[in-house]
Amino acid sequence: SQQGEEDPQALSIQEGENATMNCSYKTSINNLQWYRQNSGRGLVHLILIRSNEREKHSGRLRVTLDTSKKSSSLLITASRAADTASYFCALYGGATNKLIFGTGTLLAVQP
Amino acid sequence: EAGVAQSPRYKIIEKRQSVAFWCNPISGHATLYWYQQILGQGPKLLIQFQNNGVVDDSQLPKDRFSAERLKGVDSTLKIQPAKLEDSAVYLCASSSPQGGPNTGELFFGEGSRLTVL
Repeated sequence: SQQGEEDPQALSIQEGENATMNCSYKTSINNLQWYRQNSGRGLVHLILIRSNEREKHSGRLRVTLDTSKKSSSLLITASRAADTASYFCALYGGATNKLIFGTGTLLAVQP
Repeated sequence: EAGVAQSPRYKIIEKRQSVAFWCNPISGHATLYWYQQILGQGPKLLIQFQNNGVVDDSQLPKDRFSAERLKGVDSTLKIQPAKLEDSAVYLCASSSPQGGPNTGELFFGEGSRLTVL
């Protein structure tokens, strides 16, 4: 299966702390993307990292990709209550040419 | 710029009944996707359209699900007859000719939540 597996499944932190979530996968990819989903809402694209990149930053987000280990991590620094949401990694490329979503990490940021 | 519009937001039906969901993508977006998201899981692609043609429907349960995009703009997803396991959120997404999964420019609607009793 091309689906990414995320861990932890759930994470609870205090405002101001950093949150790290991980995504592991099994197939080759062209890129890996992270999406956020607030409760009852659609998904919002956060950041994309290509297979030839190792690290990318966007505001308080930092994504790393290790293609040798087939894993990626998303770091949210200085978290805010508004960051409370589910975060999904999504894999693109390989044989399917489709965007395949992972299982998600539910992040709760306590004020 | 208006986002992806979906309706209805919520629908409750009995099993074996039928239901239809509507999606209007962002203006100018040639590619339209329907995803199914079961509670606690990530979205799963059901069908992808390029203009009014089907690019991928390999995971669409064709015995009960159908989708169309007749004029290459808005789209309808239908389930008939519905089963209990069809309870999920049905998400529509669209991308421009320059966008899509290769660039990360995939825009999602708010979804239609279906409950089958």
